[in-house]
Amino acid sequence: NAGVMQNPRHLVRRRGQEARLRCSPMKGHSHVYWYRQLPEEGLKFMVYLQKENIIDESGMPKERFSAEFPKEGPSILRIQQVVRGDSAAYFCASSPRRLQDRGTDSPLHFGNGTRLTVT
Amino acid sequence: RKEVEQDPGPFNVPEGATVAFNCTYSNSASQSFFWYRQDCRKEPKLLMSVYSSGNEDGRFTAQLNRASQYISLLIRDSKLSDSATYLCAGASGSARQLTFGSGTQLTVLP
Repeated sequence: NAGVMQNPRHLVRRRGQEARLRCSPMKGHSHVYWYRQLPEEGLKFMVYLQKENIIDESGMPKERFSAEFPKEGPSILRIQQVVRGDSAAYFCASSPRRLQDRGTDSPLHFGNGTRLTVT
Repeated sequence: RKEVEQDPGPFNVPEGATVAFNCTYSNSASQSFFWYRQDCRKEPKLLMSVYSSGNEDGRFTAQLNRASQYISLLIRDSKLSDSATYLCAGASGSARQLTFGSGTQLTVLP
């Protein structure tokens, strides 16, 4: 059973370009979360999606950032017109159920992240 | 005030030492807590879940103090391989995501 798969592992973009980060959740998981981690800082929640729906995007910047989780295929985090401040590690996590419905097992399974560098 | 706050660290301890980290939370409605471990430039991995009165797993013990709104992680007989950043995370009953602390860095020295 493959874990959460993220690609690419490393992404370099020049200022003004677009970045597309992909996340395939674990098999059987329909809940996807995106977190951002700036250097020397903790994980900051960005967005929570279920298949074809954005449930909570309270942590997402209002401009340039968007996310989707289509019926078929991976979840995509898209950053338009990247700036140097977007340089960070972006982690995706998945869960088989809502946090409110969790059991005692791991609530979130993380992928190995995409490290975005904006030059 | 941050929703979840941790000891800033870093903690540098010798092998075999006992070390404890604390994490305070501001939302009294928070019900579930977790400790994650993150190795340098890698993804966070669940270390322990903390429910009700806490739990123990080998050398690791997690405690929850609802009255004072904090959770702790105790590591006994620390090993070199315990060197990592430890993140606490919490969720309220109606939460739709986990809120993480900024992490505490631990280095176990030979």
